Amino acid sequence: GENVEQHPSTLSVQEGDSAVIKCTYSDSASNYFPWYKQELGKRPQLIIDIRSNVGEKKDQRIAVTLNKTAKHFSLHITETQPEDSAVYFCAATSGSGYSTLTFGKGTMLLVSP
Amino acid sequence: DAGITQSPRHKVTETGTPVTLRCHQTENHRYMYWYRQDPGHGLRLIHYSYGVKDTDKGEVSDGYSVSRSKTEDFLLTLESATSSQTSVYFCAISTSGRSNEQFFGPGTRLTVL
Repeated sequence: GENVEQHPSTLSVQEGDSAVIKCTYSDSASNYFPWYKQELGKRPQLIIDIRSNVGEKKDQRIAVTLNKTAKHFSLHITETQPEDSAVYFCAATSGSGYSTLTFGKGTMLLVSP
Repeated sequence: DAGITQSPRHKVTETGTPVTLRCHQTENHRYMYWYRQDPGHGLRLIHYSYGVKDTDKGEVSDGYSVSRSKTEDFLLTLESATSSQTSVYFCAISTSGRSNEQFFGPGTRLTVL
C-alpha cells in the first residue's frame, strides 16, 4: 500500500519567515495530494491540494509543488504569521477504484512573534 | 463544516464494553470515512463506505466494525473496547471518491480505562 513520509516533525520559524514542509510517497499511481491544517483541539481543515497533472499551485501565502518523477511534494508558506502555528498533514491517494487517502504523521509548525 | 456531526463528542468507557460512535451528515455525500488520530501516527483510516451497505477496511480495521444503513449515518462500533483504542476518532466525507477532497467532522475523544 501507499506510504507517506513527512519531514520535519517540528518546525520553528520567526514571524515573516518562510516555512517548507516536505512529503514523499511510494505509490506511483497516486494522483491527488492534499494538505490539511489542524489547530489544537480542532478538526483537520483542507487548506490546499494539487493533482498529478499540475506542478505547482498557489493560494495567497501558501503554495504546493509536486515532483512526480521523484515522488515528492512540498508545502510552502511565505510571510508566516503566529496564526499559522498548527500541525500540518500531507496526504496522498492510495489504492485503485474507490481511492482513499494515506496521511503523513504531521509537522508541528510554531511561528514566534 | 460540510454538515458533519459526530456523537458523542467525548466518552469514557471501561475495557470490554461495547462502544458505538455515530457520524451524521446532512448533504447526501456518498463517501464516508472513519479515522483515528494518535500522537506520532497522524490520521489512520479504519473503515470507509462508498454507499449504503457498501463498506471496506482501512489500514487499522482490527477490533472495529462499521455499518451504513442509510446515506446520512455511518456508525463505528468497538465490540469490546481495549485501552489501545483510546484515541480521537474523526469521521470524514467526500463528495466523490475519485475527487478525493475529504472534509472532517469535529471528532470524538474516546478514553478506554
